[in-house]
Amino acid sequence: DAKTTQPPSMDCAEGRAANLPCNHSTISGNEYVYWYRQIHSQGPQYIIHGLKNNETNEMASLIITEDRKSSTLILPHATLRDTAVYYCIVRVAGGSQGNLIFGKGTKLSVKP
Amino acid sequence: KAGVTQTPRYLIKTRGQQVTLSCSPISGHRSVSWYQQTPGQGLQFLFEYFSETQRNKGNFPGRFSGRQFSNSRSEMNVSTLELGDSALYLCASSPGTSTFEQFFGPGTRLTVL
Repeated sequence: DAKTTQPPSMDCAEGRAANLPCNHSTISGNEYVYWYRQIHSQGPQYIIHGLKNNETNEMASLIITEDRKSSTLILPHATLRDTAVYYCIVRVAGGSQGNLIFGKGTKLSVKP
Repeated sequence: KAGVTQTPRYLIKTRGQQVTLSCSPISGHRSVSWYQQTPGQGLQFLFEYFSETQRNKGNFPGRFSGRQFSNSRSEMNVSTLELGDSALYLCASSPGTSTFEQFFGPGTRLTVL
């Protein structure tokens, strides 16, 4: 089973920030938080990852709480093209890379 | 750099047949993973190959198998197809060492009639 809990769906107005929460209360000290998204009928796309510090890249920001039991993915200015299912995944880094365990994710709908 | 390619993109088979799907990873990537996506079960990990060896395996029956060639290209095979094998099969590649990003292909849509 996935080690994360996400709301099944969220709406966001175009141009506003989309804040997607994820609970991972059983995360281990050596597990990272990854975010992927899947636009309809396409393969998943990596967004960002982090261990305990907040991270930012050209796509999004990742805020991880100090106790690491939850995190929030922030899309600062959502566009219609950001409509997708967003997956939060926790796993260790290194070694076998293949076995990402996807939960049901959050379906984000960006509306004009 | 070219992305991950999968062939064919669409496939229709009948129950009892077997099927082979192909995946070409990004140049230089040594790890190839396969996933099955269905509306009911979501995205599920099938197996991972690294340098021609299966490095990890998900919880699927033995009808699902795979292999990787010396050029890192990978194939997966499903024998004795069942209706429930209808799914989107996704392939992902990564360099295979400590890395965080897997690059997914567009998938092969398999329909079993």
